Amino acid sequence: DAKTTQPNSMESNEEEPVHLPCNHSTISGTDYIHWYRQLPSQGPEYVIHGLTSNVNNRMASLAIAEDRKSSTLILHRATLRDAAVYYCIPRLISSGSARQLTFGSGTQLTVLP
Amino acid sequence: DAGVTQSPTHLIKTRGQQVTLRCSPISGHKSVSWYQQVLGQGPQFIFQYYEKEERGRGNFPDRFSARQFPNYSSELNVNALLLGDSALYLCASSRGTEGASPLHFGNGTRLTVT
Repeated sequence: DAKTTQPNSMESNEEEPVHLPCNHSTISGTDYIHWYRQLPSQGPEYVIHGLTSNVNNRMASLAIAEDRKSSTLILHRATLRDAAVYYCIPRLISSGSARQLTFGSGTQLTVLP
Repeated sequence: DAGVTQSPTHLIKTRGQQVTLRCSPISGHKSVSWYQQVLGQGPQFIFQYYEKEERGRGNFPDRFSARQFPNYSSELNVNALLLGDSALYLCASSRGTEGASPLHFGNGTRLTVT
């Protein structure tokens, strides 16, 4: 599985944009990039995923570098509810066999009021 | 729609005992995965089941076993509990096993072994 590097922690002010970086320099051409977040006392929550193009959904945007060796999760306006551990996870394309998520340590995002 | 539900939410067992944890996936999801999360770490993969068959197993001892039922619900069993088995056990479901299928997690079962 591809290895990822994320900062241990980041801070943001409420209602400001947040850019969470992830380096995945060993990613293969068939790995989707998934982002999950985990709020205190809850299970991980799916945020977004993409393969090559930038992706947007109601929660966030995902910007993928052209060489796919890095990506950035963008929260457009951070709220206090966005305080969580954010995990960047490459996941292999497969069918008919198990492809689990390999969680690293993630980035602890603190949102300041 | 109901999300992934897990029971019980909390459990206290003593060393050497056996425990069974239960998971109900989102309706329409045929794949169930189990993860263990020790305090301060990211979740670690234990098992994945798809259409009632084991499709993958993480680096866990044989004391850990699981099964998936015809209604796609699942049970995780842990025998001969050790203190180190104390953790949050997470169940996740997805429509399939493809790399583009997001996982939807429950809020877990907190197991404490004394």
